[in-house]
Amino acid sequence: QVQLQESGPGLVKPSETLSLTCEVSGYSISSGYYWGWIRQPPGKGLEWIGSIYHSGSTYYNPSLKSRVTISVDTSKNQFSLNLSSVTAADTAVYYCAKPTLSVAYNWYFALWGRGTLVTVSS
Amino acid sequence: DIVMTQSPDSLAVSLGERATINCKSSQSLLYSSNNKNYLAWYQQKPGQPPKLLIYWASTRESGVPDRFSGSGSGTDFTLTISSLQAEDVAVYFCQHYYGSPPYTFGQGTKLEMK
Repeated sequence: QVQLQESGPGLVKPSETLSLTCEVSGYSISSGYYWGWIRQPPGKGLEWIGSIYHSGSTYYNPSLKSRVTISVDTSKNQFSLNLSSVTAADTAVYYCAKPTLSVAYNWYFALWGRGTLVTVSS
Repeated sequence: DIVMTQSPDSLAVSLGERATINCKSSQSLLYSSNNKNYLAWYQQKPGQPPKLLIYWASTRESGVPDRFSGSGSGTDFTLTISSLQAEDVAVYFCQHYYGSPPYTFGQGTKLEMK
């Protein structure tokens, strides 16, 4: 079955770049879907960060667009998130997720990784 | 961006009783060409990722118990748990997926046992 696993540093210093990777198993990223990143500050709600297609086509949340880069490596069957100039407000659990529909828009997410907590602190 | 507002923020219901959670969107989520509402509901338990319960406002995801139901259209939606079980204690989120991104979530409703 399809599984997603986030990985990356759990602690990032303010003003630096947060970098996470989502490894996909049980399904080839090249077969389709816009693969997404979603975050959740401790005790708070969910925020969609952005999504990427295997071709490299991306959509970003306008609220984060100036700081976000999402990339894909089909040879490793994984996609990555870079968030620059982080502050304490970027402290959150970061999830990667696969939408149910293999379309360019209209994503709801049936499959999520377990999430990884990233703390921004000096 | 479409703003999703849930009510109440928290709710305490007795075992076996009905729980009702509301979600209101700042614009209609009904697409006239297919008569579908682009609204999903999730359940999240502590330390776990969200679990998809409902999509298209009223379609239950495979494996979700039938005590969970979704209703509503346009801008007003409801998630109902017909008979609360202990394992239903969680935070519930709505999410719209209408039009182009960003797709936003409600702030969440914490459901507790009375």
